[in-house]
Amino acid sequence: NAGVTQTPKFQVLKTGQSMTLQCAQDMNHNSMYWYRQDPGMGLRLIYYSASEGTTDKGEVPNGYNVSRLNKREFSLRLESAAPSQTSVYFCASSPRNSNQPQHFGDGTRLSIL
Amino acid sequence: GENVEQHPSTLSVQEGDSAVIKCTYSDSASNYFPWYKQELGKGPQLIIDIRSNVGEKKDQRIAVTLNKTAKHFSLHITETQPEDSAVYFCAASFKTDKLIFGTGTRLQVFP
Repeated sequence: NAGVTQTPKFQVLKTGQSMTLQCAQDMNHNSMYWYRQDPGMGLRLIYYSASEGTTDKGEVPNGYNVSRLNKREFSLRLESAAPSQTSVYFCASSPRNSNQPQHFGDGTRLSIL
Repeated sequence: GENVEQHPSTLSVQEGDSAVIKCTYSDSASNYFPWYKQELGKGPQLIIDIRSNVGEKKDQRIAVTLNKTAKHFSLHITETQPEDSAVYFCAASFKTDKLIFGTGTRLQVFP
């Protein structure tokens, strides 16, 4: 049972390039989330999807877009990467909503030069 | 707006001692409070959680207490071991849509 799988694990981009981070879960969870983690700032919610077919903005959505492709997959896209988006990105899922445990992937470490 | 404050940011203890991490939250409607442990290079993993209808919950060496009136909850680790060394995050639910996380506590347990 893989849980939450994120690809790629590492990526280096140049400013202005675009990229999509992939996330898939095999736990039949309804809700999925994208966070970024920066030193001293904890985990900040970028976007979330409460159920298949819906997406909503979190605390820090600017510069990102998301797609809930199906129940299993939730992707995060950077259209024009900026150095301020250098971070570690985590995807998570929960069975129904955020009043239930969230299960995290191991992250994508993204550097933008 | 929604906010979770977490203290201390770093904590060093001797093996066998207890460790306490404290969090306060701003939204009185929050009703779910998980704690996560993050090891180097890994994603956060849930270690214990508590709901607002319970004041305390224990799981072996780990316990969490909740004071709804003060909007305050704490993680207690007893008989600490070197493998407890990690970063710990508290979180509080906001409405039913999302979790707001604290900024983390780096715990170091020295042998």
